[in-house]
Amino acid sequence: NAGVMQNPRHLVRRRGQEARLRCSPMKGHSHVYWYRQLPEEGLKFMVYLQKENIIDESGMPKERFSAEFPKEGPSILRIQQVVRGDSAAYFCASSPTATEAFFGQGTRLTVV
Amino acid sequence: DQQVKQNSPSLSVQEGRISILNCDYTNSMFDYFLWYKKYPAEGPTFLISISSIKDKNEDGRFTVFLNKSAKHLSLHIVPSQPGDSAVYFCAASVTSGTYKYIFGTGTRLKVLA
Repeated sequence: NAGVMQNPRHLVRRRGQEARLRCSPMKGHSHVYWYRQLPEEGLKFMVYLQKENIIDESGMPKERFSAEFPKEGPSILRIQQVVRGDSAAYFCASSPTATEAFFGQGTRLTVV
Repeated sequence: DQQVKQNSPSLSVQEGRISILNCDYTNSMFDYFLWYKKYPAEGPTFLISISSIKDKNEDGRFTVFLNKSAKHLSLHIVPSQPGDSAVYFCAASVTSGTYKYIFGTGTRLKVLA
């Protein structure tokens, strides 16, 4: 059973471009979470999704950020018109029953 | 508003001795707590969890203690090994809610050989 897969591992975008981060949860897991870690900080909750539904997006910035978890395929975190402050490590986690969540290796986004 | 606090940014322990990592929380609604270990450039790895109906949970070298009245939990690692050197995060959630985790800022543990 493969773990949570995130790609790409590293992503460089110029200011104003779009960033797409992908997350394939562990097999059988229907709960997906996205977290962001800024340098020297802890992980901050962004959004919680189940298949085709956003359950809690209270940690998502109001603009430019969106997330989806379609019926088929990976979960996508999309950041439009990236700015330097978006540079961070973005972690996806999945869970079978919304208890212990298992994290992917993260995508390190650098905005230049 | 930091609801989960890890007040010690770093800790050094001699190999074979006990490591004690501490975590405080402010939200009395939290009823599920977890510890994660994180190496550089990797994702957090789940270590151990505890429900608020318990005050202790043990798994091998790792034991988590929960003191609800003090809103405090701790992770004990004994004996500590050099491979335990990592950043440790505690996290809390409200299981009647959306199960999102609120993380502390982490404690960097260094186990000296």
